[in-house]
Amino acid sequence: AQRVTQPEKLLSVFKGAPVELKCNYSYSGSPELFWYVQYSRQRLQLLLRHISRESIKGFTADLNKGETSFHLKKPFAQEEDSAMYYCALSGYSGGSNYKLTFGKGTLLTVNP
Amino acid sequence: NAGVMQNPRHLVRRRGQEARLRCSPMKGHSHVYWYRQLPEEGLKFMVYLQKENIIDESGMPKERFSAEFPKEGPSILRIQQVVRGDSAAYFCASSRDRSSYGYTFGSGTRLTVV
Repeated sequence: AQRVTQPEKLLSVFKGAPVELKCNYSYSGSPELFWYVQYSRQRLQLLLRHISRESIKGFTADLNKGETSFHLKKPFAQEEDSAMYYCALSGYSGGSNYKLTFGKGTLLTVNP
Repeated sequence: NAGVMQNPRHLVRRRGQEARLRCSPMKGHSHVYWYRQLPEEGLKFMVYLQKENIIDESGMPKERFSAEFPKEGPSILRIQQVVRGDSAAYFCASSRDRSSYGYTFGSGTRLTVV
């Protein structure tokens, strides 16, 4: 069974501080991991995916298969980073990887 | 490109009524996915459709819920005889091919059952 755990429901940091949003997963095969972000009153948007090894808006995430984690990090948080962040996992089912399993989300607040 | 369009944005229904949620995928996308987000929960997969076909409905409740994606027009998620527990945000996503990489989400429909 696939499972994604985001242990922090709320996370509050000050502007300029480092931020780390935790994500742990459970999956028997090789998963594909994503971070989605939802800014206030906006739709869910893809922030980054592990396979691309990219940095978007200063955020990075490294897949750690040993610890089954995919934590999202940013060295210097900005007020505009305040949003709801969801970690998601996609595993192969019937030869396709179309289905996403989401964590419950972490609400990040960056204070001035 | 207007993106994935969902309507209505908010829907209030009394217990026992029917709810119809619409999703128009992005231009060029023929794969549609519906997810439900109950309060304090993450999004949960409900159903995956291609034009005129239901590919995977493993996340759909067995009763009262149905989905379609006709040859013409939007995809419809239909909930009959709604109950308070159906109150949730319902999100639709579309993609060009059968993959989670190309998902684009709509803004969601927030259903409230009173």
